[in-house]
Amino acid sequence: KAGVTQTPRYLIKTRGQQVTLSCSPISGHRSVSWYQQTPGQGLQFLFEYFSETQRNKGNFPGRFSGRQFSNSRSEMNVSTLELGDSALYLCASVPSDYRIDTQYFGPGTRLTVL
Amino acid sequence: QQPVQSPQAVILREGEDAVINCSSSKALYSVHWYRQKHGEAPVFLMILLKGGEQKGHDKISASFNEKKQQSSLYLTASQLSYSGTYFCGTESNTGNQFYFGTGTSLTVIP
Repeated sequence: KAGVTQTPRYLIKTRGQQVTLSCSPISGHRSVSWYQQTPGQGLQFLFEYFSETQRNKGNFPGRFSGRQFSNSRSEMNVSTLELGDSALYLCASVPSDYRIDTQYFGPGTRLTVL
Repeated sequence: QQPVQSPQAVILREGEDAVINCSSSKALYSVHWYRQKHGEAPVFLMILLKGGEQKGHDKISASFNEKKQQSSLYLTASQLSYSGTYFCGTESNTGNQFYFGTGTSLTVIP
Protein backbone atom coordinates (compact mmCIF):
# COMPACT_ATOMS: atom_id res chain seq x y z
CA LYS A 1 0.00 0.00 0.00
CA ALA A 2 1.10 3.52 -0.68
CA GLY A 3 1.93 5.56 2.39
CA VAL A 4 0.45 8.85 3.51
CA THR A 5 1.12 11.52 0.93
CA GLN A 6 1.17 15.26 1.47
CA THR A 7 1.28 18.02 -1.08
CA PRO A 8 2.98 20.30 -1.62
CA ARG A 9 6.18 19.35 0.17
CA TYR A 10 7.42 22.93 0.39
CA LEU A 11 5.64 26.28 0.35
CA ILE A 12 6.76 29.85 0.67
CA LYS A 13 4.13 32.48 1.42
CA THR A 14 4.06 36.02 2.69
CA ARG A 15 2.26 37.39 5.72
CA GLY A 16 -1.43 37.90 5.21
CA GLN A 17 -1.80 35.27 2.51
CA GLN A 18 -3.67 32.03 2.96
CA VAL A 19 -2.54 28.50 2.23
CA THR A 20 -4.13 25.11 1.68
CA LEU A 21 -2.31 21.86 2.38
CA SER A 22 -3.44 18.44 1.25
CA CYS A 23 -3.14 15.00 2.79
CA SER A 24 -4.08 11.64 1.28
CA PRO A 25 -4.25 8.88 3.89
CA ILE A 26 -3.34 5.26 3.38
CA SER A 27 -6.07 3.48 1.46
CA GLY A 28 -8.77 2.27 3.86
CA HIS A 29 -7.84 4.65 6.66
CA ARG A 30 -10.72 6.94 7.60
CA SER A 31 -9.14 9.00 10.36
CA VAL A 32 -6.72 11.82 9.56
CA SER A 33 -4.99 14.05 12.10
CA TRP A 34 -2.95 17.17 11.52
CA TYR A 35 0.03 18.38 13.55
CA GLN A 36 2.25 21.44 13.52
CA GLN A 37 5.92 20.96 14.32
CA THR A 38 8.22 23.84 15.23
CA PRO A 39 11.59 23.90 17.01
CA GLY A 40 10.14 25.97 19.83
CA GLN A 41 6.77 24.31 20.43
CA GLY A 42 7.48 20.79 19.25
CA LEU A 43 4.66 18.68 17.84
CA GLN A 44 1.24 20.15 18.47
CA PHE A 45 -2.11 18.62 17.63
CA LEU A 46 -4.26 20.70 15.29
CA PHE A 47 -7.35 18.60 14.61
CA GLU A 48 -8.61 15.18 13.67
CA TYR A 49 -11.15 14.24 11.04
CA PHE A 50 -13.13 11.05 10.75
CA SER A 51 -15.78 10.34 8.14
CA GLU A 52 -15.81 13.95 6.95
CA THR A 53 -16.40 15.29 10.47
CA GLN A 54 -14.02 17.07 12.78
CA ARG A 55 -13.83 14.77 15.77
CA ASN A 56 -11.21 16.52 17.89
CA LYS A 57 -9.56 19.91 17.88
CA GLY A 58 -6.40 21.34 19.41
CA ASN A 59 -5.78 24.79 20.82
CA PHE A 60 -5.18 26.74 17.66
CA PRO A 61 -6.89 29.96 16.52
CA GLY A 62 -9.76 29.91 14.07
CA ARG A 63 -7.37 30.85 11.24
CA PHE A 64 -6.55 27.15 11.14
CA SER A 65 -9.29 25.06 9.63
CA GLY A 66 -9.66 21.80 7.83
CA ARG A 67 -11.99 19.47 6.11
CA GLN A 68 -12.20 15.91 4.95
CA PHE A 69 -13.71 14.57 1.78
CA SER A 70 -15.72 11.42 1.18
CA ASN A 71 -12.59 9.62 -0.08
CA SER A 72 -10.90 10.45 3.30
CA ARG A 73 -8.49 12.92 1.73
CA SER A 74 -8.09 15.93 3.97
CA GLU A 75 -7.10 19.54 3.54
CA MET A 76 -6.09 22.12 6.06
CA ASN A 77 -6.24 25.83 5.48
CA VAL A 78 -4.46 28.64 7.24
CA SER A 79 -5.76 32.13 6.57
CA THR A 80 -4.04 35.46 7.22
CA LEU A 81 -0.64 33.87 7.62
CA GLU A 82 1.69 35.08 10.35
CA LEU A 83 5.44 34.64 10.65
CA GLY A 84 4.86 32.24 13.53
CA ASP A 85 2.96 29.88 11.25
CA SER A 86 6.24 28.82 9.66
CA ALA A 87 6.47 25.15 10.50
CA LEU A 88 6.41 21.60 9.31
CA TYR A 89 2.82 20.46 8.99
CA LEU A 90 2.34 16.74 9.36
CA CYS A 91 -0.71 14.64 8.78
CA ALA A 92 -1.22 11.14 10.06
CA SER A 93 -3.75 8.45 9.22
CA VAL A 94 -5.01 5.70 11.48
CA PRO A 95 -6.10 2.23 10.33
CA SER A 96 -8.92 1.76 12.78
CA ASP A 97 -11.85 3.98 13.58
CA TYR A 98 -10.33 4.95 16.90
CA ARG A 99 -7.35 7.19 17.45
CA ILE A 100 -5.80 4.92 20.03
CA ASP A 101 -3.98 3.14 17.30
CA THR A 102 -0.89 3.41 15.19
CA GLN A 103 -0.57 6.75 13.47
CA TYR A 104 1.16 6.66 10.10
CA PHE A 105 2.71 10.00 9.28
CA GLY A 106 3.20 11.60 5.92
CA PRO A 107 6.46 13.36 5.00
CA GLY A 108 5.03 16.76 5.88
CA THR A 109 4.69 20.12 4.20
CA ARG A 110 7.33 22.68 5.09
CA LEU A 111 5.67 26.10 5.18
CA THR A 112 7.78 29.23 5.31
CA VAL A 113 6.07 32.57 5.90
CA LEU A 114 8.07 35.66 4.93
CA GLN B 1 -0.97 19.68 29.25
CA GLN B 2 2.01 18.77 27.10
CA PRO B 3 3.73 15.76 28.63
CA VAL B 4 7.21 16.43 29.91
CA GLN B 5 10.00 14.12 28.85
CA SER B 6 13.32 13.55 30.53
CA PRO B 7 16.12 13.67 29.80
CA GLN B 8 16.04 16.32 27.07
CA ALA B 9 19.07 14.81 25.41
CA VAL B 10 21.29 11.79 25.88
CA ILE B 11 24.42 10.50 24.19
CA LEU B 12 25.18 6.80 24.32
CA ARG B 13 27.86 4.51 23.04
CA GLU B 14 26.76 1.50 21.04
CA GLY B 15 25.64 -1.27 23.35
CA GLU B 16 24.67 0.97 26.25
CA ASP B 17 21.17 1.21 27.67
CA ALA B 18 18.90 4.24 28.02
CA VAL B 19 15.63 5.13 29.69
CA ILE B 20 13.38 7.94 28.52
CA ASN B 21 10.61 9.12 30.80
CA CYS B 22 7.30 10.77 29.96
CA SER B 23 5.15 12.42 32.60
CA SER B 24 1.68 13.89 32.22
CA SER B 25 -0.46 16.04 34.51
CA LYS B 26 -3.66 14.48 33.16
CA ALA B 27 -5.23 11.09 33.68
CA LEU B 28 -4.25 9.05 30.69
CA TYR B 29 -5.95 6.43 28.60
CA SER B 30 -3.02 5.62 26.38
CA VAL B 31 0.61 6.46 25.75
CA HIS B 32 2.25 6.24 22.35
CA TRP B 33 5.94 6.29 21.55
CA TYR B 34 7.44 7.57 18.29
CA ARG B 35 10.92 8.08 16.93
CA GLN B 36 11.76 10.82 14.47
CA LYS B 37 15.00 10.98 12.57
CA HIS B 38 16.24 14.30 11.29
CA GLY B 39 14.30 15.45 8.25
CA GLU B 40 11.86 12.55 8.44
CA ALA B 41 8.37 12.00 9.76
CA PRO B 42 7.76 10.39 13.16
CA VAL B 43 7.59 6.62 13.09
CA PHE B 44 5.37 4.66 15.45
CA LEU B 45 7.10 2.41 18.00
CA MET B 46 4.34 1.21 20.32
CA ILE B 47 1.15 2.00 22.21
CA LEU B 48 0.39 1.26 25.82
CA LEU B 49 -3.14 1.32 27.13
CA LYS B 50 -4.19 1.95 30.72
CA GLY B 51 -3.84 -1.17 32.78
CA GLY B 52 -0.14 -0.83 33.40
CA GLU B 53 0.93 -3.09 30.60
CA GLN B 54 4.48 -3.29 29.44
CA LYS B 55 5.14 -3.78 25.78
CA GLY B 56 8.17 -4.22 23.69
CA HIS B 57 9.78 -5.63 20.66
CA ASP B 58 13.38 -6.49 20.06
CA LYS B 59 15.45 -4.37 22.42
CA ILE B 60 12.95 -1.51 22.83
CA SER B 61 10.25 -1.79 25.45
CA ALA B 62 8.03 0.52 27.46
CA SER B 63 5.95 0.61 30.60
CA PHE B 64 2.93 2.67 31.63
CA ASN B 65 2.04 3.54 35.19
CA GLU B 66 -1.44 5.01 34.93
CA LYS B 67 -1.60 5.90 38.62
CA LYS B 68 1.44 8.11 38.29
CA GLN B 69 0.52 9.13 34.74
CA GLN B 70 3.99 8.20 33.64
CA SER B 71 5.53 6.07 30.95
CA SER B 72 9.09 4.99 30.36
CA LEU B 73 10.79 3.81 27.19
CA TYR B 74 13.67 1.38 27.62
CA LEU B 75 16.33 0.96 24.95
CA THR B 76 18.79 -1.81 25.62
CA ALA B 77 22.04 -2.59 23.84
CA SER B 78 21.60 0.54 21.73
CA GLN B 79 22.48 0.53 18.06
CA LEU B 80 23.50 3.39 15.79
CA SER B 81 20.06 3.18 14.16
CA TYR B 82 18.42 4.15 17.45
CA SER B 83 19.60 7.73 17.06
CA GLY B 84 16.81 10.24 16.68
CA THR B 85 14.32 12.22 18.69
CA TYR B 86 11.87 10.21 20.75
CA PHE B 87 8.42 11.52 21.48
CA CYS B 88 5.78 10.20 23.75
CA GLY B 89 2.20 10.98 22.86
CA THR B 90 -0.68 10.89 25.29
CA GLU B 91 -4.40 10.55 24.98
CA SER B 92 -6.43 11.53 28.02
CA ASN B 93 -9.36 9.61 29.43
CA THR B 94 -11.71 12.02 27.70
CA GLY B 95 -10.01 11.27 24.39
CA ASN B 96 -10.49 14.79 23.17
CA GLN B 97 -6.93 15.64 22.25
CA PHE B 98 -3.61 14.04 21.60
CA TYR B 99 -0.49 15.65 23.07
CA PHE B 100 3.07 14.94 22.06
CA GLY B 101 5.77 15.22 24.69
CA THR B 102 8.65 17.68 24.66
CA GLY B 103 10.96 15.18 22.96
CA THR B 104 14.24 13.49 23.86
CA SER B 105 17.19 13.66 21.50
CA LEU B 106 19.12 10.41 21.58
CA THR B 107 22.49 10.04 19.87
CA VAL B 108 24.29 6.73 19.67
CA ILE B 109 27.98 6.93 18.85
CA PRO B 110 30.35 4.11 17.86
